[in-house]
Amino acid sequence: EDQVTQSPEALRLQEGESSSLNCSYTVSGLRGLFWYRQDPGKGPEFLFTLYSAGEEKEKERLKATLTKKESFLHITAPKPEDSATYLCAVQAYGGSQGNLIFGKGTKLSVKP
Amino acid sequence: NAGVTQTPKFQVLKTGQSMTLQCAQDMNHNSMYWYRQDPGMGLRLIYYSASEGTTDKGEVPNGYNVSRLNKREFSLRLESAAPSQTSVYFCASSEVQTGSAFFGQGTRLTVV
Repeated sequence: EDQVTQSPEALRLQEGESSSLNCSYTVSGLRGLFWYRQDPGKGPEFLFTLYSAGEEKEKERLKATLTKKESFLHITAPKPEDSATYLCAVQAYGGSQGNLIFGKGTKLSVKP
Repeated sequence: NAGVTQTPKFQVLKTGQSMTLQCAQDMNHNSMYWYRQDPGMGLRLIYYSASEGTTDKGEVPNGYNVSRLNKREFSLRLESAAPSQTSVYFCASSEVQTGSAFFGQGTRLTVV
């Protein structure tokens, strides 16, 4: 069964304290891995797509990496405005096309 | 640029009542999706439409129906609402069947 597990469930950082969020997955054939940011009361906002092991993507203080079994979202020198829930999702080849399998998310809080 | 627009934003229904959630996108995307988000469960796909005129079941379709009215609009109908359908519903759209979906602001539905 295709599955996505995110850890930790919650993470509290001081402003400027770098850290990483983890997304481990089991999928029959990975078509793509996606990172989203979700603010309270809003819909998820697309951040990155990764397609193959070794691939990296960057956007401001965020950097996403991918291996064959997991992905990391590295946050460098975070600011309070980076506080949000970060969601990881995978899309598999075969099965029900269009179906993104989401993890439960990591809630990040950055204190000034 | 509106992106994905959902109506209504909030709704309270009595058990057994019916309602339709509306979704429209202005990005000329072929694919559209309906998800529900519940605490501790993550986002789960209800139905999706790969292109105008087609719809397919996702992970949790029971109790719901959908209509792809045209390329822009994709509605979700609850024929006889149940308390288990209390959730936040998100509509999303994407180009082809990629995971880089754009989400609406959500509809918070409570069934009493």
